[in-house]
Order: sequence, then C-alpha cells, then structure tokens
Amino acid sequence: DIQMTQSPSSLSASVGDRVTITCRASQKIANYLNWYQHKPGTAPKVLIYAASNLQSGAPSRFSGSGSGTDFTLTISSLQPEDFATFYCQQSYSPPYTFGQGTRLEIK
Amino acid sequence: QVQLQQWGAGLLKPSETLSLTCAVYGGSFSGYYWSWIRQSPGKGLEWIGESKDSGITNYNPSLKSRVNISVDASKSQVSLKLSSVTAADTAVYYCARVLSPSGYDYFDSWGQGTRVTVSS
Repeated sequence: DIQMTQSPSSLSASVGDRVTITCRASQKIANYLNWYQHKPGTAPKVLIYAASNLQSGAPSRFSGSGSGTDFTLTISSLQPEDFATFYCQQSYSPPYTFGQGTRLEIK
Repeated sequence: QVQLQQWGAGLLKPSETLSLTCAVYGGSFSGYYWSWIRQSPGKGLEWIGESKDSGITNYNPSLKSRVNISVDASKSQVSLKLSSVTAADTAVYYCARVLSPSGYDYFDSWGQGTRVTVSS
C-alpha cells in the first residue's frame, strides 16, 4: 500500500493567516492526489483533485501543488469556517489511502 | 445535485455482520464507481472498497476476506456487508461517489455517515 504522511499533525493559526499543509507519498504517484476538508459530524468535502484542480464550489483561497511524492495544500487567507481537519488521499493505485490528517485550530 | 442517503444497524455484537445501504438521488447511478470509506474513533479515513453497476469490485486487501460491496442499479443503491465484526470495526461508515475526470479518481459526493458500534 502507498503510505501518505501529512505534516504537521496539528496547527494553530489565526483568521487571515496563510497556511500550508504538506503531504508526502511513500512512492511516486504523479499528480494523483486529492485534498479533503472534514468537520466533526459532517461528511468530508473535496477541495482539490489531481493535485492542483479546485473542485467546483470550493473557495478560491484553497490551492494545491506538487507532483511525484511531495504535495502542498495552501489556504491563502484563513476564514473562520476553514477550521477543520484536512486529509490528503492518493488515487494512483488501490487501495486508496489517506494521510493521517492535519487538524487546523484557531489560535 | 446528487445526494447520498445511507442507513443500517448502528449497534452490533462481535461476530455479527455489518450491513449498510446507500441510496443515490438526483443524479445518474450507472457508470460510476461507488465506494465505502470508514473512520474509526480518533483515527483517519480508511477506504474499504468500491463497486460499479457493471459488477466490477475492488476491495482493500486488509478487509477483502470479510467485505462484500454490491450495487442495485434498478434502485440506485449500493450496499456494504462486513462479516465477523469486532470492536476494531467500530467506526463511522460513509458511502461516496467516485468521479474520474481524465482518469483522476476522487470522492466528490458523500453520504451523511452511519455510526456503527461493535460491543458485546
């Protein structure tokens, strides 16, 4: 299985901050990398697919980059509704695997 | 806007079979893969497997011996069965649609989640 490792595991930030979350794959996965936002009691929502494509309806302050093994999710200016847990997920080969999550908290 | 609504038993005893169903409303059912994903307490997300109305299925090897995912295109439903459950199967279970633009798979629509607890 392809292992996905996110860093940091948790992060405290303030409204208006620029935030970057990284995800590393245990082998090259080209750009088969997706990012999800998950809030307690709700279903995860996709933000970015294929490493850098913004999902329809996702705010433009979210962006993704990377290829091969190293990827980043950037939030350009944090909004109050952005505080959640973020997961990366590889779709290069089954079994599809997720990172362990990055919990974004209000400072 | 496609909507996924899921249901099933929320409390099981060890060795029983988990059974969940997910109905798809407001969108096409055929031609898509439909996945099940779970999140155990305090842990991350785990892909269980997927199925298509063509009968093609793919399972996570870690669960393959106990899992069956089936689709009923006539009802626009996908079902999950997980046999011989233990406490380690306690989790919130989600169904999700797989979108594949240009071959890049991702989960674009999700059910509301079903909390399943395994306890004697």
